[in-house]
Amino acid sequence: AQRVTQPEKLLSVFKGAPVELKCNYSYSGSPELFWYVQYSRQRLQLLLRHISRESIKGFTADLNKGETSFHLKKPFAQEEDSAMYYCALRSYNQGGKLIFGQGTELSVKP
Amino acid sequence: DVKVTQSSRYLVKRTGEKVFLECVQDMDHENMFWYRQDPGLGLRLIYFSYDVKMKEKGDIPEGYSVSREKKERFSLILESASTNQTSMYLCASSLTGANTEAFFGQGTRLTVV
Repeated sequence: AQRVTQPEKLLSVFKGAPVELKCNYSYSGSPELFWYVQYSRQRLQLLLRHISRESIKGFTADLNKGETSFHLKKPFAQEEDSAMYYCALRSYNQGGKLIFGQGTELSVKP
Repeated sequence: DVKVTQSSRYLVKRTGEKVFLECVQDMDHENMFWYRQDPGLGLRLIYFSYDVKMKEKGDIPEGYSVSREKKERFSLILESASTNQTSMYLCASSLTGANTEAFFGQGTRLTVV
């Protein structure tokens, strides 16, 4: 079955430290992968998608098909990065379902 | 500005009541989704719809049903609310096609007492 796993519930770092939020997936086929973010009292919103290969707010994510991973990285964390981060996969094997992981709360301390 | 609007921000219902959660989008999106969001469990898909009157079960459909009579509106129905359905419910919509973004509503915090 298609699945997204985020092994860390909480990641706490100091401002300026590097950040890596882990995401592993299981999917038979070519995956479409996304990172969504939810800031306090705001709606869930798209942060980036693997197809774009772009950096958003300093974050990047590389799809590693061999390791079935799509980890989110930022070299220097900022306090405003504190939020809930969700990794997501669109499963065309299941009619276009959008499946999310358990989420990782990132806390950036001053 | 794209909009997904959920009819209620907070709801309190009694056990056994039939509950309707409404979601409307103004972007002419084909796909609409209902999730529940629980700490430590992330977003779990309840149902999704890829067209009017079409629906597919998600990962946790038990105790829920949905209705999509018009393209812009997707309703989640709790046939007989139970306390274990106390949760945050999120609606989302997206276009059909590769790598399309999903847009989310503000959420409905449902408490069943």
